[in-house]
Amino acid sequence: AQTVTQSQPEMSVQEAETVTLSCTYDTSESDYYLFWYKQPPSRQMILVIRQEAYKQQNATENRFSVNFQKAAKSFSLKISDSQLGDAAMYFCAYRSADNQGGKLIFGQGTELSVKP
Amino acid sequence: KAGVTQTPRYLIKTRGQQVTLSCSPISGHRSVSWYQQTPGQGLQFLFEYFSETQRNKGNFPGRFSGRQFSNSRSEMNVSTLELGDSALYLCASSLTGGFTPGEKLFFGSGTQLSVL
Repeated sequence: AQTVTQSQPEMSVQEAETVTLSCTYDTSESDYYLFWYKQPPSRQMILVIRQEAYKQQNATENRFSVNFQKAAKSFSLKISDSQLGDAAMYFCAYRSADNQGGKLIFGQGTELSVKP
Repeated sequence: KAGVTQTPRYLIKTRGQQVTLSCSPISGHRSVSWYQQTPGQGLQFLFEYFSETQRNKGNFPGRFSGRQFSNSRSEMNVSTLELGDSALYLCASSLTGGFTPGEKLFFGSGTQLSVL
């Protein structure tokens, strides 16, 4: 079975600074997708960034980028120029590329606070 | 385009009762999946429905059930409620539930269930 581990329950960053959230996963599959989701106090899960395992190039979305190390099974999220609105719970998630449909396996989450 | 709508936002029930939660996916989306979020267990996959058929099921007891209607709206039902069922229940929708590469999953804001 696949597992996702986020070892940092809480992180803090100063506004305009850069922060990196860690995520490791375990799988025997070769093809899969990895995601970072943000959950603000409104509770709605918002997709931040997505990475396909077969793509070696790290995904980027504006101020958000990932460092995907397939051999090490590591998938960290870097937030540059942090803003107050980035404060939220961040979840790393895994999805098989086979017939697993909408099933995501989530890590325990990292609560990010942003200091003005 | 309207997002994923979950009703009600909050529910309070007592042990032994049953409850039904509703999820209306984004128009055109045929896959709906359900997740349970608790502080202790985190986010756990309950089940997924696609074109009115359950396609995947997580590791939850039979008290948890669901269904999907022809308009893709989904309901989940929990019978004989226990204190441990208190949680945020999130639903997510997507076009085909992962069969389209790069497909995104969109979440609702959840139903907060409290069991007294």
